[in-house]
Amino acid sequence: GQNIDQPTEMTATEGAIVQINCTYQTSGFNGLFWYQQHAGEAPTFLSYNVLDGLEEKGRFSSFLSRSKGYSYLLLKELQMKDSASYLCAVKDSNYQLIWGAGTKLIIKP
Amino acid sequence: DTEVTQTPKHLVMGMTNKKSLKCEQHMGHRAMYWYKQKAKKPPELMFVYSYEKLSINESVPSRFSPECPNSSLLNLHLHALQPEDSALYLCASSQDEGTGSDTQYFGPGTRLTVL
Repeated sequence: GQNIDQPTEMTATEGAIVQINCTYQTSGFNGLFWYQQHAGEAPTFLSYNVLDGLEEKGRFSSFLSRSKGYSYLLLKELQMKDSASYLCAVKDSNYQLIWGAGTKLIIKP
Repeated sequence: DTEVTQTPKHLVMGMTNKKSLKCEQHMGHRAMYWYKQKAKKPPELMFVYSYEKLSINESVPSRFSPECPNSSLLNLHLHALQPEDSALYLCASSQDEGTGSDTQYFGPGTRLTVL
């Protein structure tokens, strides 16, 4: 079967750094996506990784290790507006997106 | 411009009503998607249109009927829904269905309540 695991909930402090992990087991791999979703709103695209390594985009970075079936999203200089759910999704061999259940990130002042 | 628009934002309907959800994009994308999302769950794929043809139907009940009038528009016709169909309905689009980096961009969603 296909499986994507993320922690259900994490808490961090404003101004700090937080790492959200995602592990996956899918039938084939054609890339991994991270989306941010504020409560009641649509998911917004954050990053795409298909090669091993770190991709940096401002305060957000995403890392991929294909051999370990592992990715993380790193958020630096946390702001209150970063409170949201973060969804990891993998494209399988059929180019279908398989979604994780999401990690709810709570930022405290 | 990565904008996908959806109307209405909110919809309340009875189980005997017929209503439609609308989605529009002007990014020249050739794949369009309908998702259903329940609270605290990830989006659940319902339908995919590729080049205006239905390419994926994820065993969705017939009370949901998709339509793609042209490459920019996607509708979801609703009839005889059940209270458990209450959810956030998301439309997304992407450039091309069959590549790894092909990114889906989501509209703001329609919050549907079935009474």
